[in-house]
Order: sequence, then structure tokens, then C-alpha cells
Amino acid sequence: GIQVEQSPPDLILQEGANSTLRCNFSDSVNNLQWFHQNPWGQLINLFYIPSGTKQNGRLSATTVATERYSLLYISSSQTTDSGVYFCAVAYSGGSNYKLTFGKGTLLTVNP
Amino acid sequence: SAVISQKPSRDICQRGTSLTIQCQVDSQVTMMFWYRQQPGQSLTLIATANQGSEATYESGFVIDKFPISRPNLTFSTLTVSNMSPEDSSIYLCSGAGRGGTEAFFGQGTRLTVV
Repeated sequence: GIQVEQSPPDLILQEGANSTLRCNFSDSVNNLQWFHQNPWGQLINLFYIPSGTKQNGRLSATTVATERYSLLYISSSQTTDSGVYFCAVAYSGGSNYKLTFGKGTLLTVNP
Repeated sequence: SAVISQKPSRDICQRGTSLTIQCQVDSQVTMMFWYRQQPGQSLTLIATANQGSEATYESGFVIDKFPISRPNLTFSTLTVSNMSPEDSSIYLCSGAGRGGTEAFFGQGTRLTVV
């Protein structure tokens, strides 16, 4: 199956700093998503980005499918950005669909 | 975005008992899945819930331990059977559109087995 590696595993920032999270994957995909898991365990959809670049406020993401990686940028970080960020990928064809998650990046933003 | 409602949100159960988790999705969802997240770990797919037929289980998960039903397009249940403390995890329901487009998740069920 597809392997997903996220880096760094842990990241500590001061409020206001910028950061870049990386996701590498081992095979061709047509689905790539970034999630933020809040302290209550809920997964929040950040981006659905199998290719290209998207921006949503202070967050943006870029996926280079041909080189099998994606980047999540967080600018001007806030304490509410703390939590675990997951990258998940899938190659879906017909009824065959399986979303594989990386191990996540634990982000701590200190005031 | 799809709306996925899951309940209960948390429970504390005695070992040896069973717990059934319910998941309701809106009409944008055609595919439904169940995941487990053990403490401090990532998400692992348990099975794909198939409407009107047996679920498709991933390696390491069996129907006797995790029976799944999906009687119609928008509703599914996962039962965690004969629980032990090792089953303490967050269980999440997920839905995606036809062909596997963007996936959305319910709020999760935090299960503690004592």
C-alpha cells in the first residue's frame, strides 16, 4: 500500500511565527487531504489538494504530485493552531478507495 | 461539505461488554468508512461499510470483533464486541462522495474500557 511520511513529527513555535509541514508519499495519488485534529479529537478538513496550490486565510498548501509531496504552510501562528496535523492520501478508482494517513505533526504554539 | 453525525461522543465501558456506535451522513456521501485511532497514534482504517452487504475489512480487523451494518445509504453502525482495555481508542466514522472524493469525518467516539 501507499506509504505516507510526515515531517517534522513535533514542532514548537512562538505565537506569530511561520511554519512549513511536509508530507511525502510513495505512489501516485488522486486524493490528498490535510486535517487538523483538535484537542477533543475531531478532524477538521483543511485542504483537499491532490495537486496545485490553495490558500485559506493564514493557511496554504501546495501539492506537487509528480514529485510525490505536499506542503502545508501556517503563517502568523496562533495558540489555537495547536494540535495534530495529518496528511492523508488515496488512489481511488471505481469502488476501490482507501485513505491512508501519515503519523501526523504535533504542533504546539506558545503565547 | 458533508455533514456526518456520530454518537455517542464518549463512553466508559466495562470489559467484556459491547458498544455500538452510530453514524448518520447526509446525501452527499456515497462511501462510508470506520477508523480507529489508538492513544497517541494515527488513524487506521477498520473497514468500508457496504450498503446492504457485509463490510470490507482491512488486515488485522475481523467481523466478529467489529461487526458493521449499513442498512441504507446514509446510516451505519460499528459495534466493538467483547471489549478489553486495549480497545480504548477514538473511533471515527467517515464519508466520501462517489469515486472517493474529499472525505469528511464525524466528531469521533472516545471509548475507554475499564
